[in-house]
Amino acid sequence: QVQLQESGPGLLKPSETLSLTCTVSGYSISSGYYWGWIRQPPGKGLEWIGSMYHSGSGYYNPSLKSRLTISVDTSKNQFSLNLSSVTAADTAVYYCARIHSSGSQFSDFDYWGQGTLVTVSS
Amino acid sequence: QSALTQPASVSGSPGQSITISCTGTSSDVGSYDLVSWYQQHPGKAPKLMIYVGSKRPSGVSNRFSGSKSGNTASLTISGLQAEDEADYYCCSYAGRSTFVVFGGGTKLTVL
Repeated sequence: QVQLQESGPGLLKPSETLSLTCTVSGYSISSGYYWGWIRQPPGKGLEWIGSMYHSGSGYYNPSLKSRLTISVDTSKNQFSLNLSSVTAADTAVYYCARIHSSGSQFSDFDYWGQGTLVTVSS
Repeated sequence: QSALTQPASVSGSPGQSITISCTGTSSDVGSYDLVSWYQQHPGKAPKLMIYVGSKRPSGVSNRFSGSKSGNTASLTISGLQAEDEADYYCCSYAGRSTFVVFGGGTKLTVL
């Protein structure tokens, strides 16, 4: 059974960098699939952040691209999110997920982590 | 404002059927058969219910079905049950500049 688990700080100050790691068990990242991040502000809808293949090729939400880095560590079976210069608008539950795709056309998110709340506040 | 438009809420009585619409454009829903639907209970992660427009993952009840016409995708839940009460989100591939778009979500209330 594929399982994903997010980890990282839950509280940040404005202008800091948000860093989260997703640890995957039950499946080897290097075997395939895209892996990505989705966030959900409190009481609001889902927003795709970005996705990365195990080889390192990735795609980012254009609205976040200038602040965003997603990386994959196949040796640890993990992938990570770094979002710089955070503001209160980045407060959200952050989910990691496995992504089905047809080439680079993303189809669906089939396995999700439980999510982790990140709050940005001074 | 979300890229895909869903009704904010729908409701139905146990045993009834409901349909949730998801309206996009010719750049996303209308151009690709890559619409997926997610169920989210309060405090939980989303769960994939429908992918590539109409396919159900293993373990998802056949009471859930998906379809598409033009720029609008739809999720139908038949034989409503109390446990179906949740938020539902649609999602579509949107080409190589935008990639992925979600709907704003629909709250389903089982009366």
